Amino acid sequence: DVKVTQSSRYLVKRTGEKVFLECVQDMDHENMFWYRQDPGLGLRLIYFSYDVKMKEKGDIPEGYSVSREKKERFSLILESASTNQTSMYLCASSYGETYNEQFFGPGTRLTVL
Amino acid sequence: AQTVTQSQPEMSVQEAETVTLSCTYDTSESNYYLFWYKQPPSRQMILVIRQEAYKQQNATENRFSVNFQKAAKSFSLKISDSQLGDTAMYFCAFYPGSGNTGKLIFGQGTTLQVKP
Repeated sequence: DVKVTQSSRYLVKRTGEKVFLECVQDMDHENMFWYRQDPGLGLRLIYFSYDVKMKEKGDIPEGYSVSREKKERFSLILESASTNQTSMYLCASSYGETYNEQFFGPGTRLTVL
Repeated sequence: AQTVTQSQPEMSVQEAETVTLSCTYDTSESNYYLFWYKQPPSRQMILVIRQEAYKQQNATENRFSVNFQKAAKSFSLKISDSQLGDTAMYFCAFYPGSGNTGKLIFGQGTTLQVKP
């Protein structure tokens, strides 16, 4: 079975802190994604990576950056956390063409105080 | 802009009954893909069913089936013989097709409660 894991289920940070969210997949998938999930807004794509060291902006990249140094790992970085980044963050991965099924991690609920 | 709309924020159904979740989308693409994902409470999101726009036949997966109306840009999910384990948030999603790297567009979600 495909497994996508995220480093934390719950995270509490203070405004201005640098925050790292880590995602690891074990199925050699080319594509990895970071989404933000907010009530009433569904899932919104923050960043996407289709290969090591490759990245593309999604719909809401402002305030975020990403890193993909190894194929299995995709990190989301909040350079200076703000209260409006309090949210659920979901990582996903998929194989080949991006219409293929995306496999999701359990999510990280981030609270910025 | 391509959009996905789920107009039912919450729904409930009695166990063993049938329920239909609605989804509409807006696109000028002719070939694309549509998905329904399920997110159970405190559990990971999983794919329920996928439909390719060039296929006229509606997709089915056991108790889950879709009603795909391409001209109306409608993609509803029907759950037959509802079970307590179907309680979850359901997301409709749209992929515009090759050349649009990674841009899976999700609806707002519908929370479904299956009652015993």
